[in-house]
Amino acid sequence: KQEVTQIPAALSVPEGENLVLNCSFTDSAIYNLQWFRQDPGKGLTSLLLIQSSQREQTSGRLNASLDKSSGRSTLYIAASQPGDSATYLCAVRQNDMRFGAGTRLTVKP
Amino acid sequence: NAGVTQTPKFRILKIGQSMTLQCTQDMNHNYMYWYRQDPGMGLKLIYYSVGAGITDKGEVPNGYNVSRSTTEDFPLRLELAAPSQTSVYFCASSYGRDTGNTIYFGEGSWLTVV
Repeated sequence: KQEVTQIPAALSVPEGENLVLNCSFTDSAIYNLQWFRQDPGKGLTSLLLIQSSQREQTSGRLNASLDKSSGRSTLYIAASQPGDSATYLCAVRQNDMRFGAGTRLTVKP
Repeated sequence: NAGVTQTPKFRILKIGQSMTLQCTQDMNHNYMYWYRQDPGMGLKLIYYSVGAGITDKGEVPNGYNVSRSTTEDFPLRLELAAPSQTSVYFCASSYGRDTGNTIYFGEGSWLTVV
């Protein structure tokens, strides 16, 4: 049974810092891994999708890496801004899609 | 481009009542999902479907039923509402499960059982 864990559960940083969010999963037989952003009271917005054959994906200030053999992914956010404050969720795709509990990020001005 | 549409957005139910959450997608996606999200938690999969006429249980199916008579629609039924079903419900869809297929979410349905 796939288990997805995200560490830390919450993170507070001053504006401008670079930061790393972690995601681990127990079953490495995945099709892809996706990172999402969720604002309070809203749905999920897809940020990055890493296919099982890929090692990383980049979009603007975001970079996500995938090490399938060790069951780990990281989301790197460069030069954080207050607008980055949200909950970040990772999810792994097998036949279904399983989510971690998320990391709640606060970026202080 | 409607994407994934869920209705209703908000609903209050009394214990023991029944209701159906509607979900429709217009992207011709094969895969559809229902998740619930409790406060401060991640998403838990309730049911999913890989195509019309095919459904399967997820992590937390008890107390729910689904059907998939068309590609577009994937309704979620609560038969006897309980306070433990107070949650936010998200419907999602994707074309397939292959490596490059992104999953798209609806905006959520907030359900309170009192």
